[in-house]
Amino acid sequence: EVQLLESGGNWVQPGGSLILSCAASGFPFRSYAMNWVRQAPGKGLEWVATISYTGSDYADSVKGRFTISRDDSKNTVHLLMHSLRAEDTALYYCAKGLTLLDYWGQGTLVTVSS
Amino acid sequence: DIVMTQTPLSSPVTLGQPASISCRSSQSLVHSDGNTYLNWLQQRPGQPPRHLIYKISDRFSGVPDRFSGSGAGTDFTLKISRVEPEDVGVYYCMQATHFPRTFGQGTKVEI
Repeated sequence: EVQLLESGGNWVQPGGSLILSCAASGFPFRSYAMNWVRQAPGKGLEWVATISYTGSDYADSVKGRFTISRDDSKNTVHLLMHSLRAEDTALYYCAKGLTLLDYWGQGTLVTVSS
Repeated sequence: DIVMTQTPLSSPVTLGQPASISCRSSQSLVHSDGNTYLNWLQQRPGQPPRHLIYKISDRFSGVPDRFSGSGAGTDFTLKISRVEPEDVGVYYCMQATHFPRTFGQGTKVEI
């Protein structure tokens, strides 16, 4: 059974940093691209970043501030977030796949507020 | 960036009746590999999104056959042949042909 478990969400002040993690199981992790997608409270879905065998891609809204990485030995994908802003407040989901995001985690909440 | 525009944004439905959601992209979603990566996702209240339809019309594993997708190029449609109570939620189209990936605004389906 595919499982994705996000962690690391927290309250942080504007300008602060946070690292999110997603632990994956139930599939050959190194063979799949992984994504972060976020959802601000009461809003729609916003793609954040993807890491695949070709490299990584980012939404313009986070480029230069966020870094996606993966540890295939630990079946984990991370999202390092710097210079956080109020508009980064959201539930952050980890999702598996490149053109088909077929499995999603339950999400981890990031709140950026003073 | 490719803009995905969904209509309607809210869809009151009657149980047992059909429902339809449209999605239009600002550019062609045909990939260089010949596929069109237009997907539909469902998000039930309080739940993470769930994939329904892949590459315009392929139903994801376990998705009931009352859900169907169609379209080509820049115009796509999700249809529910007979709405069931568990279909309440928000439906999103998403393009995975180009980076950045983009979603439609979401269509709220309510009874």
